[in-house]
Amino acid sequence: EAGVVQSPRYKIIEKKQPVAFWCNPISGHNTLYWYRQNLGQGPELLIRYENEEAVDDSQLPKDRFSAERLKGVDSTLKIQPAELGDSAVYLCASSGRRDRYGYTFGSGTRLTVV
Amino acid sequence: AQKITQTQPGMFVQEKEAVTLDCTYDTSDQSYGLFWYKQPSSGEMIFLIYQGSYDEQNATEGRYSLNFQKARKSANLVISASQLGDSAMYFCAMREVYSILTGGGNKLTFGTGTQLKVEL
Repeated sequence: EAGVVQSPRYKIIEKKQPVAFWCNPISGHNTLYWYRQNLGQGPELLIRYENEEAVDDSQLPKDRFSAERLKGVDSTLKIQPAELGDSAVYLCASSGRRDRYGYTFGSGTRLTVV
Repeated sequence: AQKITQTQPGMFVQEKEAVTLDCTYDTSDQSYGLFWYKQPSSGEMIFLIYQGSYDEQNATEGRYSLNFQKARKSANLVISASQLGDSAMYFCAMREVYSILTGGGNKLTFGTGTQLKVEL
């Protein structure tokens, strides 16, 4: 079974440019999460989806960040415009109703804003 | 609000020795779950072990065991017989208790992590 797939793996952009990250969760997982992990820190939740509905986006900086999960499967996280402080690893994870023991994370996208 | 504290930024251990990584937590919830994840340099978060707040026995998964002391609000990870491949960042995390009604769809709150280095 394929795991959570994220792309790109690495991204370097200049500040003020837009950037987008893509996530394909495990088939059948209804819950999808985007986390941001700053250097030397633990991941922090940005947004959680239940199917196609965003049920927790309280930590998402809505002035520049947006996300969507069309048809309750793949998801895209966008930043426009990017700032230097957005440099981080963006992790996607998914879970299903029978996953008592946590989530499956993707390998993440490492974003560097210069 | 839930909070996880990991006070050891870095730890060294010799190969084949055991090591304990500390984790304390703070929550007002009666029901919660505690997790440990391993993050190698490749970046992926790898699930290691889970402990439910109502589980009476400490969780074990192969070389990993969780020393759960509920009254002290601690959930330390013990790795026995360390291997070079155990060198990685280790995160303790907590969430509200799993519920099939909610699909377990609750966020994880992570600590700041402990960098473990296994030496020959």
